Amino acid sequence: AQTVTQSQPEMSVQEAETVTLSCTYDTSENNYYLFWYKQPPSRQMILVIRQEAYKQQNATENRFSVNFQKAAKSFSLKISDSQLGDTAMYFCAFMMTDNTDKLIFGTGTRLQVFP
Amino acid sequence: EAEVAQSPRYKITEKSQAVAFWCDPISGHATLYWYRQILGQGPELLVQFQDESVVDDSQLPKDRFSAERLKGVDSTLKIQPAELGDSAMYLCASSPGVIAREQYFGPGTRLTVT
Repeated sequence: AQTVTQSQPEMSVQEAETVTLSCTYDTSENNYYLFWYKQPPSRQMILVIRQEAYKQQNATENRFSVNFQKAAKSFSLKISDSQLGDTAMYFCAFMMTDNTDKLIFGTGTRLQVFP
Repeated sequence: EAEVAQSPRYKITEKSQAVAFWCDPISGHATLYWYRQILGQGPELLVQFQDESVVDDSQLPKDRFSAERLKGVDSTLKIQPAELGDSAMYLCASSPGVIAREQYFGPGTRLTVT
């Protein structure tokens, strides 16, 4: 069974600084997708970034980028130039490439950005 | 911008009572998901629909939970009877289909069972 582990329950960063959130996963599959989702306080969860396992190039979305290490089964999220609006719970998630589209989430990291 | 709608946003119910949650996915999205998120944990899939058919309900406690999506559009999740351990956030998400991969989440229904 696939599992996702986020070992940092809470992180904090000062505005404009850079922070990295860690995620490791366990799977015997070769093809899969990895995601980072953001859940702001009292608001819906939104997709931050997605990585296909067959792609060696790390995904980037504006200030958000990932460090995908397939052999190490590691998928960290780097947030550059942190903004107050980045304050949220961040969930790492795994999805197999079968037809179920089932997301398996980690326990989340609470990120606080302070002025 | 289209969003997934859920109601109610908050629900307080007593143990052994019945409770129901409603979800309206983004128009045109064939796939609908119900997740349960216990405080301090990540969401866990309860049931997935493809149109009106159940694709995966392996984690749904079928002795007390039921879900339906009769016309392949909106969906209802029911708990009867509710137990204290059911207190959680219930999230609905939708997706255009398998190829798209991204799931769009609603705001959730926070259930408190007393």
